[in-house]
Parts: sequence; C-alpha cells; structure tokens
Amino acid sequence: DGGITQSPKYLFRKEGQNVTLSCEQNLNHDAMYWYRQDPGQGLRLIYYSQIVNDFQKGDIAEGYSVSREKKESFPLTVTSAQKNPTAFYLCASRGQVTVAEAFFGQGTRLTVV
Amino acid sequence: AQSVTQLGSHVSVSEGALVLLRCNYSSSVPPYLFWYVQYPNQGLQLLLKYTTGATLVKGINGFEAEFKKSETSFHLTKPSAHMSDAAEYFCAVSPMDSSYKLIFGSGTRLLVRP
Repeated sequence: DGGITQSPKYLFRKEGQNVTLSCEQNLNHDAMYWYRQDPGQGLRLIYYSQIVNDFQKGDIAEGYSVSREKKESFPLTVTSAQKNPTAFYLCASRGQVTVAEAFFGQGTRLTVV
Repeated sequence: AQSVTQLGSHVSVSEGALVLLRCNYSSSVPPYLFWYVQYPNQGLQLLLKYTTGATLVKGINGFEAEFKKSETSFHLTKPSAHMSDAAEYFCAVSPMDSSYKLIFGSGTRLLVRP
C-alpha cells in the first residue's frame, strides 16, 4: 500500500543523547515535512524539503537537523541542543504542486527523561 | 509572513447541533486552504481543501467550508454533529508561490455531548 511510515511509534531517550526519527514514503512525492506537536500549540514546522539534497528551516529548527539523500526518506535528528525535545513528531509529504494535500504518518512520540 | 488563526481551542456542541469551527488567514494574496482532522495519537487526515473556483467546498463526513476573501476566512461547518466527529481540527494554508511551505493553525478540539 502507498503511504508514509514513521518509526518508531514511541521512543524514549536520556537527556543529552541525540536521537533520529525515521520517515519513509512510497508516494513518489517531492516535498516532505517535519512538524512538532505540543498540546495547545498546533503543528509547528521544523524543516521541509522540496527536492532531494535540499531542505529549508521552518519556524522552530533550532536543535534539530535533517537530511534528504533519497526522495523516499527524510530523517529528523533531535540533538542534545534541543532544550525541550519531549513532543509528538509528525512527518508529511506532498506531491509536486502547491495545491496538493499533505499526507501524514502516524507520528512518533518522543520522551526524553 | 503567512499565518493562520483558529478561534477557540475547544468547541463543545450537542449531538445533532450545528458545528462551526473558525479559521482566518493573514495574507494579501489568498493562499490555498485546507482543513484536517486528527484523532488521538494519530496523524492528520484531509477533510477538504480550497484552491480556486467555487468558494463553498464540500469534504468528507458531511463537512463543508466557505472561502470568504473579504473576511480572510475559511470556516468549517457541519449541519448536524455526530459523536464520531469528536477530534481535533486543524486549518492550514499554503501560499500560492513555489515555496511549498505548509502552515498550520493551533487547532480546535471539538467535543460532542450526547
């Protein structure tokens, strides 16, 4: 089935450790996105990528890094510089036109202890 | 910069009552507009979208939204709420340029009372 897959669903890490969240899509979409969701704050854009080997910072990029080496994959690394990393992270992808809807993964809930 | 405002973090209605969720955008050029729904601990699902053309847009599950350029609004409505409509709803905007940026509002949690 076509879709977008995030793994793992739940992730626990100790404070000070980097952690990488996986996002894979088989929809042949050019654009991919990472959002952070906190209660009452909606979805805040971390990074997005319109094409392989290119990506742009969103509104809250500090403490995060991404790569886009393949069209299908857009992993997000939460670094130790991120002051409050515990959150629900959502990955999305869109087709080649800006009118296209975004398709979302099921999310990864990261807890840093 | 493009932004979207959703008035009311929580809206409570009785089953069978009208649902109205508000969304306003800030942009001199109308963007593309979307409504998404999210059930607990899941990703988002598209309800409907406005690109160009007819200003009243019909979506899934009986929802519809009307684009009003003069009011910079894109409110979501449903004539009769069902218990299964209880969820969080997000309005999103995408500017009509080549940036591919997709910006979401803060969300409105809909509660449906029996």
